Amino acid sequence: GESVGLHLPTLSVQEGDNSIINCAYSNSASDYFIWYKQESGKGPQFIIDIRSNMDKRQGQRVTVLLNKTVKHLSLQIAATQPGDSAVYFCAEGRNDYKLSFGAGTTVTVRA
Amino acid sequence: EAGVTQFPSHSVIEKGQTVTLRCDPISGHDNLYWYRRVMGKEIKFLLHFVKESKQDESGMPNNRFLAERTGGTYSTLKVQPAELEDSGVYFCASSRQGVGSNEQFFGPGTRLTVL
Repeated sequence: GESVGLHLPTLSVQEGDNSIINCAYSNSASDYFIWYKQESGKGPQFIIDIRSNMDKRQGQRVTVLLNKTVKHLSLQIAATQPGDSAVYFCAEGRNDYKLSFGAGTTVTVRA
Repeated sequence: EAGVTQFPSHSVIEKGQTVTLRCDPISGHDNLYWYRRVMGKEIKFLLHFVKESKQDESGMPNNRFLAERTGGTYSTLKVQPAELEDSGVYFCASSRQGVGSNEQFFGPGTRLTVL
């Protein structure tokens, strides 16, 4: 079946640098995309979302880019901080609200 | 506003035993979801309730899993009998009903270990 996946399982970033986390999806029927952050011992926490009629959305220090042509989603984190260390999941949703997740990217911020 | 809560946080049982997980969604959220993450893989959808009705249970692995949401408030997920491959972290999430309410709020999860 179709699924959402991430390009890299791990990402190491120097504190203060910008981070880019990538995700590829295969279901062209998806109309809603979300990035979640999961810290140790906690559940996934919503970061930012984007609908299929948009290609960019910005939040506080985060930007999500959606390229429907190549079915690619990315999360950019500006000025990465130690508190950004976590597992990041991309997910896709459709009208029925069911989410399909990728395997996750573990981001480690180096001091 | 209190978030989604799950109980227990950890459960260790032997193969063949029964375990019941509980989820309390955010008050007023009609949508309730169960997900599972097995062995560091992706988080997989199990099922979706709208109030007390099962809207979609296409992700339930087999008939050893039974989810209920009597009264449309909290939900339970029972595994009977548990197998080794059921080990993982079980997440519950909830969201409001209606257009534009797709944001799902997740609980901390229940880590289930089947020995």
